[in-house]
Amino acid sequence: EDQVTQSPEALRLQEGESSSLNCSYTVSGLRGLFWYRQDPGKGPEFLFTLYSAGEEKEKERLKATLTKKESFLHITAPKPEDSATYLCAVHASGGSYIPTFGRGTSLIVHP
Amino acid sequence: DTAVSQTPKYLVTQMGNDKSIKCEQNLGHDTMYWYKQDSKKFLKIMFSYNNKELIINETVPNRFSPKSPDKAHLNLHINSLELGDSAVYFCASSLVTTDTQYFGPGTRLTVL
Repeated sequence: EDQVTQSPEALRLQEGESSSLNCSYTVSGLRGLFWYRQDPGKGPEFLFTLYSAGEEKEKERLKATLTKKESFLHITAPKPEDSATYLCAVHASGGSYIPTFGRGTSLIVHP
Repeated sequence: DTAVSQTPKYLVTQMGNDKSIKCEQNLGHDTMYWYKQDSKKFLKIMFSYNNKELIINETVPNRFSPKSPDKAHLNLHINSLELGDSAVYFCASSLVTTDTQYFGPGTRLTVL
């Protein structure tokens, strides 16, 4: 059974204080690992897709990395507008259209 | 230019009633999904519908049924609503070649 575990569950940072969110996964064969951002009262919004170990993607203050067992979402010099819940999801190879989501990390950035 | 839309945004109903939530996507995607997000924010997939293939999460009660009149629509019908059905329901769509999902704004269902 595919599993995704995100840590920490919640994270409070001061503006400018860099940190990382973790997504550990167990999957029979990885087709893709996805990061989404969810703001309160809204649907998740796509951030990144990573397909193979060693791959990295960047967008503004966010950088996602992938190993064979986990992914990190690095947040550099965060701003209050980065406050949101960050969700990690994996799609397994084998033809299934069912993704597995983690429980998310709730990030609050204080000014 | 809404990519994935859902109606209604809020739904308040009594236990035992039957209700439907509608979803439409204008992205030309070939796969659509329904998710349930509970009070602890855990996003649990309920259904995946790709062209003519329906994949059901086996933990979903058969009171829930997806209906797809065409590729752009996937509606969710719920019979005999229970208190535990209260949650936010999200529709999403993707291309099977990329798996990147685009979510709707959600429907907050409250069962009294």
